[in-house]
Amino acid sequence: EIVMTQSPATLSVSPGERATLSCRASQSVNINLAWYQQKPGQAPRFLIYGASTRATGIPARFSGSGSGTEFTLTISGLQSEDFAVYYCQQYNDWPRTFGQGTKVEIK
Amino acid sequence: QVQLVQSGAEVKKPGASVKVSCKASGYTFSSYGISWVRQAPGQGLEWMAWITAYNGNTKYVQKFQGRVTMTTDTSTSTAYLELRSLRSDDTAVYYCARDYSNYVGASDIWGQGTVVTVSS
Repeated sequence: EIVMTQSPATLSVSPGERATLSCRASQSVNINLAWYQQKPGQAPRFLIYGASTRATGIPARFSGSGSGTEFTLTISGLQSEDFAVYYCQQYNDWPRTFGQGTKVEIK
Repeated sequence: QVQLVQSGAEVKKPGASVKVSCKASGYTFSSYGISWVRQAPGQGLEWMAWITAYNGNTKYVQKFQGRVTMTTDTSTSTAYLELRSLRSDDTAVYYCARDYSNYVGASDIWGQGTVVTVSS
């Protein structure tokens, strides 16, 4: 199975600053990569698919990039509601696999 | 609106089985695949399995093969996940989630989650 590795595990960022999250695949997943946001006690929220396409209703401050094995989620101008855990997931091959998550916390 | 509503919390003893339901509304149930994802306390998301009501095709993570059965009921637009021979490490929140499309296997709509506790 494809192993997804996210870094860092925790990212401390001040409100208004930029956060850059990384996701690496153990083999190419083309652009079949999604990002999710999860807050405590809630189901994940769909943010990005196709590595860079924002889902409906997702603010423009969320952007994704990458292809193959290296991917990045950038959150520009962090707002209070953005502090959460972020997961990447590949859907290029079965089983679909998630990264272990990056927690974005207030600095 | 499009939504997935899951069944309520369950408490089971080791060795027992649990069946979680996921009722879809607001869209054509048979046109989208459904994934099952679980999250143990304080841990990350773990993708378990997938089913499409269109033709009943399924995919499983190997570790669950033999212990997990997924089914769908198109008459009620409901998907089911049954997990057998429960162990304490099966304690988790279980989510169902809809595929964004036939070509994009990301999950755009999620159920609220079902807490399954395995304890003697």
